[in-house]
Amino acid sequence: DTGVSQDPRHKITKRGQNVTFRCDPISEHNRLYWYRQTLGQGPEFLTYFQNEAQLEKSRLLSDRFSAERPKGSFSTLEIQRTEQGDSAMYLCASSLAGGGRSYNEQFFGPGTRLTVL
Amino acid sequence: SQKIEQNSEALNIQEGKTATLTCNYTNYSPAYLQWYRQDPGRGPVFLLLIRENEKEKRKERLKVTFDTTLKQSLFHITASQPADSATYLCALDHPGGYNKLIFGAGTRLAVHP
Repeated sequence: DTGVSQDPRHKITKRGQNVTFRCDPISEHNRLYWYRQTLGQGPEFLTYFQNEAQLEKSRLLSDRFSAERPKGSFSTLEIQRTEQGDSAMYLCASSLAGGGRSYNEQFFGPGTRLTVL
Repeated sequence: SQKIEQNSEALNIQEGKTATLTCNYTNYSPAYLQWYRQDPGRGPVFLLLIRENEKEKRKERLKVTFDTTLKQSLFHITASQPADSATYLCALDHPGGYNKLIFGAGTRLAVHP
């Protein structure tokens, strides 16, 4: 399967604990995005990487959130000191930019559903 | 800031009929607009992209229109099937670039046999 993969698919944690999610994008894609989706809402942009550089972070991303994409391949999203309000589906997406194309479809992974008790 | 409005109520139609979903936006006109399908517990799947200078785009049983004057896109599924039942999301590009998308809340479509 050459699609976007995310791990774990589900995570249940207690308030105050740290959690880390992993995303493996489509191998040739240079852009990687993290979104958060709550029930009944569309995905909300969190952050974006072009290769290994994190170029933009949403104001939704508090200081407790950090994302990395070492070597421009897989990415991790860490949430420290989780709160009940962090409960959501965390989606990763990738796309291929360049070659004169200024807009591209995004390929989404299955998401990681986080429940904070 | 940009706001996207999609029908919050579920759309129920009979198999074989045409489903029409609406996406309205405020503020700036995007360079392009995308439609995604999302099944429960899964990530969105890209369906169609239409650019600001295009009026209509088709793909098999799907058709999208884009009216920048009305600030509206319509998404049509002809000859609908129960397998088309899902939530359909409208997404616009953000003026900040980087292909960052702003999504609507989606409209749930239920096609009944």
